[in-house]
Amino acid sequence: GAGVSQSPSNKVTEKGKDVELRCDPISGHTALYWYRQSLGQGLEFLIYFQGNSAPDKSGLPSDRFSAERTGGSVSTLTIQRTQQEDSAVYLCASSLGGPFVEQYFGPGTRLTVT
Amino acid sequence: AQRVTQPEKLLSVFKGAPVELKCNYSYSGSPELFWYVQYSRQRLQLLLRHISRESIKGFTADLNKGETSFHLKKPFAQEEDSAMYYCALGEYGGSQGNLIFGKGTKLSVKP
Repeated sequence: GAGVSQSPSNKVTEKGKDVELRCDPISGHTALYWYRQSLGQGLEFLIYFQGNSAPDKSGLPSDRFSAERTGGSVSTLTIQRTQQEDSAVYLCASSLGGPFVEQYFGPGTRLTVT
Repeated sequence: AQRVTQPEKLLSVFKGAPVELKCNYSYSGSPELFWYVQYSRQRLQLLLRHISRESIKGFTADLNKGETSFHLKKPFAQEEDSAMYYCALGEYGGSQGNLIFGKGTKLSVKP
């Protein structure tokens, strides 16, 4: 079946603009995660959804970052007033149930803030 | 605080040589540990998890609670093993929903 998909695959934006990144998880996966992958920094956890609720928002780096999930499926990560340090690859993953089953990752969205 | 350390950014070995990718963790509870791998131009994917006690693609990893380590080993490296490897820690039984990843080790297997 189809894996996790993310759009757009690449996004170039000007500093100060808002961006929306989309994630379509595997059908039936109740858990959804957002991570940020920066050069030399590995994967940084951003936020986790179980269904439509986000019990763990601890990883969001600032109040410019927000995320929502509707219908227990698609999720959108929004970054307001983008800064150059937001440039990274944003990865989405989904899994059945909780966090300790296998997470299936999407291809990522490469965000470049100029 | 929970932390995962992968001390080597880059590990280069020759084909057929043994390989060990180091991972140390800091966690006071009962850890769940994983190795994820990202091959060139492919998605990040699960390689193995300690609770499964399995060998995947010839790789094994043993959890050593005394040394707080979960090193990934393979006796004879192959060129197709070249990839980025990430060690990850999950909190068992807690409310946390995330995995904490190390910064990764790039394995290069030379012919």
